[in-house]
Amino acid sequence: QAVVTQEPSLTVSPGGTVTLTCGSSTGAVTSGHYPYWFQQKPGQAPRTLIYDTSNKPPWTPARFSGSLLGGKAALTLSGAQPEDEAEYYCLLSYSGAPVVFGGGTKLTVL
Amino acid sequence: EVQLVESGGGLVQPGGSLRLSCAASGFSFSYYWMSWVRQAPGKGLEWVANINQDGSEKYYVDSVKGRFTISRDNAKNSLYLQMKTLRAEDTAIYYCARSARPDYWGQGTLVTVSS
Repeated sequence: QAVVTQEPSLTVSPGGTVTLTCGSSTGAVTSGHYPYWFQQKPGQAPRTLIYDTSNKPPWTPARFSGSLLGGKAALTLSGAQPEDEAEYYCLLSYSGAPVVFGGGTKLTVL
Repeated sequence: EVQLVESGGGLVQPGGSLRLSCAASGFSFSYYWMSWVRQAPGKGLEWVANINQDGSEKYYVDSVKGRFTISRDNAKNSLYLQMKTLRAEDTAIYYCARSARPDYWGQGTLVTVSS
């Protein structure tokens, strides 16, 4: 089974910009992996932030964006707010196998 | 408004069984794949199983194959997860989610496997 990798932790200053990445043990991440991004705050269920690489549900703030960058899926937060402090998970889809979550990135806004 | 409400969690002894339910509302349940995702205490998300619209296709993570069964009742807008031969490592919050790649999530139900 493929392994999906994320940075264990990142820190961003309020108002700053940070990029979280999502890699695959099988090689470059492409749009065919349909990358998803989820945000989870302590004690809460996950919430979908980005689907199919760069698309946003209605509830996702404009400061979040998704892309492909250097063979990985990327989530960029521009203008970080204190309420963005959370755990972020990516998910990739593989042919012949359903889906695999990354290990998560703990984002600190400090 | 899409709503997913899980139930059926609780404390069970190793080797025991439990059946989780997920009541769906606010969308055409029979049109969507559905998934179960779990999260062990202090750990990350793990996909467990998913099922297609009519229940003819089912997929499982290797660690639960042969022990867990996903099913659905489209007439009742409900998703189920039958769990047997439970192990301590199955202890987790179990989330019901819409679609094979989750877009909406329930609040989860806690399953604790312990003697």
